[in-house]
Amino acid sequence: ETGVTQTPRHLVMGMTNKKSLKCEQHLGHNAMYWYKQSAKKPLELMFVYNFKEQTENNSVPSRFSPECPNSSHLFLHLHTLQPEDSALYLCASSQNTGRGYTFGSGTRLTVV
Amino acid sequence: TQLLEQSPQFLSIQEGENLTVYCNSSSVFSSLQWYRQEPGEGPVLLVTVVTGGEVKKLKRLTFQFGDARKDSSLHITAAQPGDTGLYLCAGVAGANNLFFGTGTRLTVIP
Repeated sequence: ETGVTQTPRHLVMGMTNKKSLKCEQHLGHNAMYWYKQSAKKPLELMFVYNFKEQTENNSVPSRFSPECPNSSHLFLHLHTLQPEDSALYLCASSQNTGRGYTFGSGTRLTVV
Repeated sequence: TQLLEQSPQFLSIQEGENLTVYCNSSSVFSSLQWYRQEPGEGPVLLVTVVTGGEVKKLKRLTFQFGDARKDSSLHITAAQPGDTGLYLCAGVAGANNLFFGTGTRLTVIP
């Protein structure tokens, strides 16, 4: 039990589909994050939420849409993705920004 | 984006050997963290170093933060197969965001 749960673990979607990734943390943390991990590239920060407010949008295309309804839940809504969006999407949380992060196990996304 | 270069990119050693992984940047970080990631899982935090020159030990792992807070190293003594994984350094900069290094994939052969 890592304290951060991501669903689904694996997702295959067509380029015209709409799907959502879910992240839930049970640690009482105030900040939540979405990262993208592709082969041969460092983890890329996508979005940061602090106390449910988005504080960072790291030039992410609009086909990725985050939602943070409360400090325990974070979603990433996906639509009209491209094959190059295939990657491991990791959710993380921390007590405050800049502190040690707790990561979920990730969602392995394949866009066909 | 703050660039953190890790070296080596890949490392394969025999059980019982020692190794050092380096994390270098031209940027200054307020703190630096090390994570280990195993296949199919997210990264797991190993340590956070905050003060320039700081050394922290975690059993057989020794972490050092450079005096100028731009670089760090991870030394593993007597590596075990359980140490196998992707080692990631990550620096805190800017609006307290965490920037990850390029990673070192370690394989310890029994």
